[in-house]
Order: sequence, then C-alpha cells, then structure tokens
Amino acid sequence: EVQLVESGGGLVQPGGSLRLSCAASGFTFSNYWMHWVRQAPGKGLVWISRIDSDGRTTAYVDSVKGRFTISRDNARNSLYLQMNSLRAEDTAMYYCGRAIPTARGVSDHWGQGALVTVSS
Amino acid sequence: EIVMTQSPAALSLSPGERATLSCRASQSVNSYLAWYQQKPGQAPRLLIYDASTRATGIPARFSGGGSGTEFTLTISSLQSEDLAVYYCQQYNHWITFGQGTRLEIK
Repeated sequence: EVQLVESGGGLVQPGGSLRLSCAASGFTFSNYWMHWVRQAPGKGLVWISRIDSDGRTTAYVDSVKGRFTISRDNARNSLYLQMNSLRAEDTAMYYCGRAIPTARGVSDHWGQGALVTVSS
Repeated sequence: EIVMTQSPAALSLSPGERATLSCRASQSVNSYLAWYQQKPGQAPRLLIYDASTRATGIPARFSGGGSGTEFTLTISSLQSEDLAVYYCQQYNHWITFGQGTRLEIK
C-alpha cells in the first residue's frame, strides 16, 4: 500500500525556518517525481514545488522561489521542503504528493498533511 | 500563469441526481487537466487525469470531458458520500488549480 506521511510542521515566528519531511513507503520511491502542494485555512489548493526522480531538476511557484528548497533522499525514501524567511501568508497545510509517471503534473497519492503556522 | 476558473462555486443536489461541474482555462491546456475530490478534513483524492482518464479505483459514475479551455466533471448519480469540494488542475504549463466547487447533497 502506498503511504506518504508528512512531519515537521508547527508554529514558527515570521522570518523563521522550518523543514518538512515526507516519508514514503509501499512503492519504489526513486522512480517517481514528487510534489508539494499547500492549502491555507479555508482556501484552495496551491502547487508549491516539484522534484524529479533523481533530484536533479526542481521547480517552484514564484511566491516561494528563493525561500523554499525541495530535496529528496532516495536511500531514505524521503522528500523534504526547507522553508526559510517564512511569512504569515505561508500559513497552510502542506501536502506531499506522488506524481503519475505518465502525467507528472498529477499526484495520485497524497499524505495527510503537515500544518505550518507562521505567527508571532 | 494559466488561470483556472470553476463554476458554479457551490452546488446543492439530491441523491441520484446528475452533477455537472465546469472548469475553464485562461488559455489552452490541451488535455492536461485533472480533477480532485477533497472531503472535509481530508487530503485531496485524484479522480480524473488527462481530462477523461479515471484514476485507479474511481467509480464509473465519475467522468471527465473536454479539451483546450473548457472541461467538465460529471457525477452521473450522486451519492451522499460525494459531499466534497472538487478542484480542477492544469499541468500543461506549470501547475495551477481552480478555486473549487463545493458540492452539497440535500
């Protein structure tokens, strides 16, 4: 069974940093592109970032470029999102998603989410 | 950025009725369009990708159509468990989501 489990969320002050992790199991992690998507309280879904299967290429939405870094450790079956210079508007539930090999912009499995709250 | 606009914003229908949700792209996305269902307190669930391909395990009452800039998600016979917010997502040029359609079951 495919499982994705996010961790590392919490309360952080504006300007602070946080690192989210996504532990993958039930599939060959190193074969799949991965995504991060976030959802502010009561709002819709926003794509944040993606990484290819071997970690060589990454992409970000403009609002997080230069502040967030996506990475992966295929030996540990783990995906990461390093978030720096956090702002109040980064407050959201953060989901990791596994991409479909034939439609790499689409996530067919999602974690349960990690809540990040940026507040003083 | 490709803007995705969903309509209606909310829909209230009875069990057994047919639901038709619309999604419009600000420019052509070819058939690179997906639909997700998000139930309260849960992560999104993939329903449809490539505009009309049902994801694994999705019931046949869910169907998708369209291409270019106009897309629809049809739920042929509503069930109470279909209460959710439905999002369209394009992946032709980067990735953007619509704002969602809230489906209420009377």
